[in-house]
Amino acid sequence: GAGVSQSPSNKVTEKGKDVELRCDPISGHTALYWYRQSLGQGLEFLIYFQGNSAPDKSGLPSDRFSAERTGGSVSTLTIQRTQQEDSAVYLCASSNAGGSTQQYFGPGTRLTVT
Amino acid sequence: EDKVVQSPLSLVVHEGDTVTLNCSYEVTNFRSLLWYKQEKKAPTFLFMLTSSGIEKKSGRLSSILDKKELFSILNITATQTGDSAIYLCAVLFSNTGKLIFGQGTTLQVKP
Repeated sequence: GAGVSQSPSNKVTEKGKDVELRCDPISGHTALYWYRQSLGQGLEFLIYFQGNSAPDKSGLPSDRFSAERTGGSVSTLTIQRTQQEDSAVYLCASSNAGGSTQQYFGPGTRLTVT
Repeated sequence: EDKVVQSPLSLVVHEGDTVTLNCSYEVTNFRSLLWYKQEKKAPTFLFMLTSSGIEKKSGRLSSILDKKELFSILNITATQTGDSAIYLCAVLFSNTGKLIFGQGTTLQVKP
């Protein structure tokens, strides 16, 4: 069956530009998560969506970062006015119930800000 | 501050060796501890541990949780080159679906 998919797989952008990263979760999964992994680091939690509840945005590093989830399925992570320190792999995960089951990860988007 | 700490950060062994990876944590609202293997990009799930002292096993991999001492270990016996990867430990909070990850242990298994 289809897993979590993300697009694009790689994105190179100039400092100051806005970028949008897309995540398609596993069909039927109600929970969706975004993480960031900088070179040589563990995964850093960014944001969590569960059903129709207000998202947990506690991990977003600045107000340049935002995310939305339309129709309870696809999610878009937007980074405005990108900075070089935003360069990382952005990973999306989904699960079929928030908080109680394993999360399935997508392949990630590697973002490079030049 | 909630934190998850893994050790060692990197490890090089030869095929056939047994390795033990460590994960300690200090978090509020602990629910479960998870282990993932990351080879290229997407971490793949290995184990979820919720109760102390109950070993989970999958082939040559096993893991156990100690909620009193706040740590977990992941054992890999008879290592193979295909075990080379980053092993990630994460803690799941009980009041949210949030995962806090450790820095990861990079394991290299040489032929």
